[in-house]
Amino acid sequence: GESVGLHLPTLSVQEGDNSIINCAYSNSASDYFIWYKQESGKGPQFIIDIRSNMDKRQGQRVTVLLNKTVKHLSLQIAATQPGDSAVYFCAEKGETSYDKVIFGPGTSLSVIP
Amino acid sequence: DAGVTQSPTHLIKTRGQQVTLRCSPKSGHDTVSWYQQALGQGPQFIFQYYEEEERQRGNFPDRFSGHQFPNYSSELNVNALLLGDSALYLCASSFLTSGVLTTGELFFGEGSRLTVL
Repeated sequence: GESVGLHLPTLSVQEGDNSIINCAYSNSASDYFIWYKQESGKGPQFIIDIRSNMDKRQGQRVTVLLNKTVKHLSLQIAATQPGDSAVYFCAEKGETSYDKVIFGPGTSLSVIP
Repeated sequence: DAGVTQSPTHLIKTRGQQVTLRCSPKSGHDTVSWYQQALGQGPQFIFQYYEEEERQRGNFPDRFSGHQFPNYSSELNVNALLLGDSALYLCASSFLTSGVLTTGELFFGEGSRLTVL
């Protein structure tokens, strides 16, 4: 079936370093690719998204890269801070308003002070 | 501006029982989606409600049902509970504009933690 998956389940980085979280997807028809952050005891929080006709999008300290050739998505976090420690999920959504958002299994990011 | 609120936050049931979970969407939102998140896994889509109708459904049995009220709030009902239904149930709200492409930005509540014994 269609799914969104992640290469690495856990990632540890030193505070101040850059983090890169990777994701593989299988549905070529998806129109939006999204990154969510989930802190312990909370619901997922939207970080950034990118549409399928783009290959890069930047936000505040975050950059999302999309490579449709190899169906790969990545989230780069600049100058990682302790508050960035969380589980990160990539997700995908189709083109229409009613399309569901499908989540991958997640990567746990730990920031070492 | 209130965000997405869910109740109850925690509950314990036994196998075979029924449960109802409730969700109030973020102010201004008209669409509610429900997700099941097992421990250590990503959220799994259950269904989505818009205009009081189920618009999309994931791969969940008929034991899972829902409802949306005129004020956009929603309920998730699970009948004949199984041990495997133990999970965090998340409600997410969004605003749909018919005919206009939307992003994948959902606003989540903090979830209802269901334990089935």
